[in-house]
Amino acid sequence: DTEVTQTPKHLVMGMTNKKSLKCEQHMGHRAMYWYKQKAKKPPELMFVYSYEKLSINESVPSRFSPECPNSSLLNLHLHALQPEDSALYLCASSQVRGTVREAFFGQGTRLTVV
Amino acid sequence: AQSVTQLGSHVSVSEGALVLLRCNYSSSVPPYLFWYVQYPNQGLQLLLKYTSAATLVKGINGFEAEFKKSETSFHLTKPSAHMSDAAEYFCAVIPNTGGFKTIFGAGTRLFVKA
Repeated sequence: DTEVTQTPKHLVMGMTNKKSLKCEQHMGHRAMYWYKQKAKKPPELMFVYSYEKLSINESVPSRFSPECPNSSLLNLHLHALQPEDSALYLCASSQVRGTVREAFFGQGTRLTVV
Repeated sequence: AQSVTQLGSHVSVSEGALVLLRCNYSSSVPPYLFWYVQYPNQGLQLLLKYTSAATLVKGINGFEAEFKKSETSFHLTKPSAHMSDAAEYFCAVIPNTGGFKTIFGAGTRLFVKA
């Protein structure tokens, strides 16, 4: 299994809503990532988990709250988002051992904040 | 700091013509280099990677790239473009010291004309 699965594929939420994005991988990878991608731009790293512990937080606003409940799952909890947070949110995973941490990406969740 | 430059935000070729997408990296020590493809509303898919083995790297869908240390380049080529190649292409690097941060270029949109 070489897939990273993200749900939902599309999400529309109001600025007062609470929602969660989910990501699952079964490749035995111990690093998982959240990226944000705006239209016509490259992905921007948000968070990295290594062995289920938060390793990198790229100064992301607290309205985004990541969670890694086990080695296969990664969630991104959303609360009180702004319209400018509308974007494609990508999950990725990679091995941790070694230096070539090639990332495998999911298909993304298209988020629209209204 | 490590950076990646992709020359040309848009490239247009005719079906059957050579595809050449340019990528240059900034570090004096060669990093690990990657090319990803992204179709509309999809995640990123790895096309090929250079990890200090062979300098000519073959990837999926008929793409290949050549690492040239003297030119700090890793250009992507395909001998004959197909309509299905129309997509966004990202060059990316990971420093050879490792780490979790993949550094992406700005991307090149490839258009294929019938």
